[in-house]
Amino acid sequence: GQQVMQIPQYQHVQEGEDFTTYCNSSTTLSNIQWYKQRPGGHPVFLIQLVKSGEVKKQKRLTFQFGEAKKNSSLHITATQTTDVGTYFCAGNFGNEKLTFGTGTRLTIIP
Amino acid sequence: DGGITQSPKYLFRKEGQNVTLSCEQNLNHDAMYWYRQDPGQGLRLIYYSQIVNDFQKGDIAEGYSVSREKKESFPLTVTSAQKNPTAFYLCASNPLGPDSYNEQFFGPGTRLTVL
Repeated sequence: GQQVMQIPQYQHVQEGEDFTTYCNSSTTLSNIQWYKQRPGGHPVFLIQLVKSGEVKKQKRLTFQFGEAKKNSSLHITATQTTDVGTYFCAGNFGNEKLTFGTGTRLTIIP
Repeated sequence: DGGITQSPKYLFRKEGQNVTLSCEQNLNHDAMYWYRQDPGQGLRLIYYSQIVNDFQKGDIAEGYSVSREKKESFPLTVTSAQKNPTAFYLCASNPLGPDSYNEQFFGPGTRLTVL
């Protein structure tokens, strides 16, 4: 079946350090989305990447979509305590559904 | 306020009982989705619907049922056939259409515990 693998499952970083989470698919994606879920909350949409090799930035967050449209990454520069939560990628394989990765739970050590 | 509401936030049921989780949206979105979230497993799709009176099975539909009689409402019934129903259930909607990002808007979720 169509799956999206995400690593790492957990990441603990000192406040101010950088953080990266990676997603991989065995088949080509139409697009990929990223969501953030705060502890006790629900997922909230961050961004969508559509084009091969696309890079988008939101303040300290940088999102990349691979040239083959099979992988993506989210990089946070100089983490802050407000970045705590679980980050999910969600791949679209050309239909009306999203396939979510297992998520990366980010913990910040003050 | 526009948004998606799910009720109740916490729900307890005895084993063997069917239970229905509510999901309502006033965003005028065409598509609605039900996901199940378990620790370490991300979000798994149960059912989805793109139009009233039509719905499709997701990846883990066994033991669940849905209806879509109104555009605004997409209730999920967890039946006694679902072997491990204790989980966090999330409802989402999506406007679809050519101008849409296809992003999904999530409700606050219902945490179901079966005793």
